[in-house]
Amino acid sequence: AQTVTQSQPEMSVQEAETVTLSCTYDTSENNYYLFWYKQPPSRQMILVIRQEAYKQQNATENRFSVNFQKAAKSFSLKISDSQLGDTAMYFCAFPNPGNTPLVFGKGTRLSVIA
Amino acid sequence: DSGVTQTPKHLITATGQRVTLRCSPRSGDLSVYWYQQSLDQGLQFLIQYYNGEERAKGNILERFSAQQFPDLHSELNLSSLELGDSALYFCASSVGAGGAYNEQFFGPGTRLTVL
Repeated sequence: AQTVTQSQPEMSVQEAETVTLSCTYDTSENNYYLFWYKQPPSRQMILVIRQEAYKQQNATENRFSVNFQKAAKSFSLKISDSQLGDTAMYFCAFPNPGNTPLVFGKGTRLSVIA
Repeated sequence: DSGVTQTPKHLITATGQRVTLRCSPRSGDLSVYWYQQSLDQGLQFLIQYYNGEERAKGNILERFSAQQFPDLHSELNLSSLELGDSALYFCASSVGAGGAYNEQFFGPGTRLTVL
């Protein structure tokens, strides 16, 4: 079965600093997508970034980037120049090819402190 | 804005009642997914429809049912409501039926409160 593990239930970071959220997953697939979703206090689920497993280059979206290590099945999210608006729950997610839904990690609650 | 719409935004009802949540997918998306998120919990997959047909089923209670209509909008029906059904219900949509490249876009959610 596909699993996604986020080992950091809560993290905090000072404004303007950099923080890394970790995620590991388990799969027997070779090609797939991986996602990070953000859920701010409004509770909207917002797609932050997507990584394609067949690409060696790490995905980047403005201040958000990933460190994707396929062999280690690790997919961490780095947030640079943290802003107060980054305060949210962050979920790592992985499509479950044998079924259709996304498999979500339990989330990391990030607090950005002024 | 993901392009996925959900109505209503908030719903307050009593135990034993029945409610219907509505979702319209992004233009061009054929799949609709329903998720339940209780307070401070992760997302629990309920059910998926693809082009009008049930595609996958998760931990959906027998008191809950869903359908997808010819115009691709979907409705989630919750009946004999219990206090524990209070949660945020998300709808998501995707172009395809699923697989390893399944990217889902989420609606804003419907917050259900059962009193």
